[in-house]
Amino acid sequence: SQQGEEDPQALSIQEGENATMNCSYKTSINNLQWYRQNSGRGLVHLILIRSNEREKHSGRLRVTLDTSKKSSSLLITASRAADTASYFCATDADKLIFGTGTRLQVFP
Amino acid sequence: DTAVSQTPKYLVTQMGNDKSIKCEQNLGHDTMYWYKQDSKKFLKIMFSYNNKELIINETVPNRFSPKSPDKAHLNLHINSLELGDSAVYFCASSQEAVQETQYFGPGTRLLVL
Repeated sequence: SQQGEEDPQALSIQEGENATMNCSYKTSINNLQWYRQNSGRGLVHLILIRSNEREKHSGRLRVTLDTSKKSSSLLITASRAADTASYFCATDADKLIFGTGTRLQVFP
Repeated sequence: DTAVSQTPKYLVTQMGNDKSIKCEQNLGHDTMYWYKQDSKKFLKIMFSYNNKELIINETVPNRFSPKSPDKAHLNLHINSLELGDSAVYFCASSQEAVQETQYFGPGTRLLVL
């Protein structure tokens, strides 16, 4: 399967803690994207990192990319209850291929 | 204003029926997509249209037929519905290339009984 894999599958933390999610993929990429999906909703784009970039920040989000290891990580700092959602990485070839997702639960 | 909208939000139907899901985007994007998300949250692309032309057609049963009357609309028609078609179907759009940021609709929850 071309599908990327994310770990952990599920993560539970307290508000204020940091959450780290990892994504591994199989093919060469142009870009890697991270999306969030709240329960019962569509996916929302968070951040795009290009293959020639190693790190990118957006607010409380920090994404790293290691193309030699075909892996990426998403760090959410100072998490909030509203960050509770599923997070997906997506890599591109001729189409976007989504990872299996990490379900993040942030307890108040 | 809703960027990518889908109707209906919920669809419950019997096996063997034919149904359609509609999608509209008001972002002025050239490319639109249909995705299927199964019960395990796996999200997989089905079709993509660029400016009304089919550019991606994954190995989807030919009971599924997309139609793009104009670049702002991409509808999905499903014939002879089967139990395994039960899933959430998402429409999405992007400015141009598949590799760009995609904007997703709220999803249509299809349950085939």
